[in-house]
Amino acid sequence: EVHLVESGGGLVQPGGSLRLSCAASGFTFSSFNMNWVRQAPGKGLEWVSYITSSSSTIYYADSVKGRFTISRDNAQNSLYLQMNSLRVEDTAVYYCAADPGWFDPWGQGTLVTVSS
Amino acid sequence: EIVLTQSPGTLSLSPGERATLSCRASQSVSGTYLAWYQQKPGQAPRLLIYGASSRATGIPDRFSGSGSGTDFTLTISRLEPEDFGVYYCQQYGSSPWTFGQGTKVEIK
Repeated sequence: EVHLVESGGGLVQPGGSLRLSCAASGFTFSSFNMNWVRQAPGKGLEWVSYITSSSSTIYYADSVKGRFTISRDNAQNSLYLQMNSLRVEDTAVYYCAADPGWFDPWGQGTLVTVSS
Repeated sequence: EIVLTQSPGTLSLSPGERATLSCRASQSVSGTYLAWYQQKPGQAPRLLIYGASSRATGIPDRFSGSGSGTDFTLTISRLEPEDFGVYYCQQYGSSPWTFGQGTKVEIK
């Protein structure tokens, strides 16, 4: 069964850092491009970052460019999001999603709360 | 950036009724690279439709997608109780990938 499990969320103060992880199983992770998508409380979906299967191409939303870094370890079937200089407006559930073009499947999400 | 505008914001319908959801793009979506997702409270989004009209694996045939260019539609032919939730369209033809703001389908 295809499975994505995020971890690493939590409460952090403004200006702080967090590293999210996404563990993949049930499919050939190294063959898929991947994304991070977030959803602020009560709000819609916002794409955050994209990485190709070989890490050769990376994109970021303007809202996180220069602060967040996406990476992956195909040997460990894992995707990461290093988040620095966090702001209150970064508070959201963060999902990882496989990208065969569209986004499928999605993980269950991990909550990041930025508050003093 | 391609802005996707969904309408209506909320659709109040009864089980058995037909639901028509609209997604309009600010510029043409290349290659009909448009997807639809369903999200229920406390759950991750689930892929329903990709390529504007192709149903994802396991999605019932009461769900159908259509459209091209800047105008896309998701139709649910006969609503089942489990179909209520929020529906999002998304374009994946050009970076940044963008989502519509969502249409909430609720029980009337």
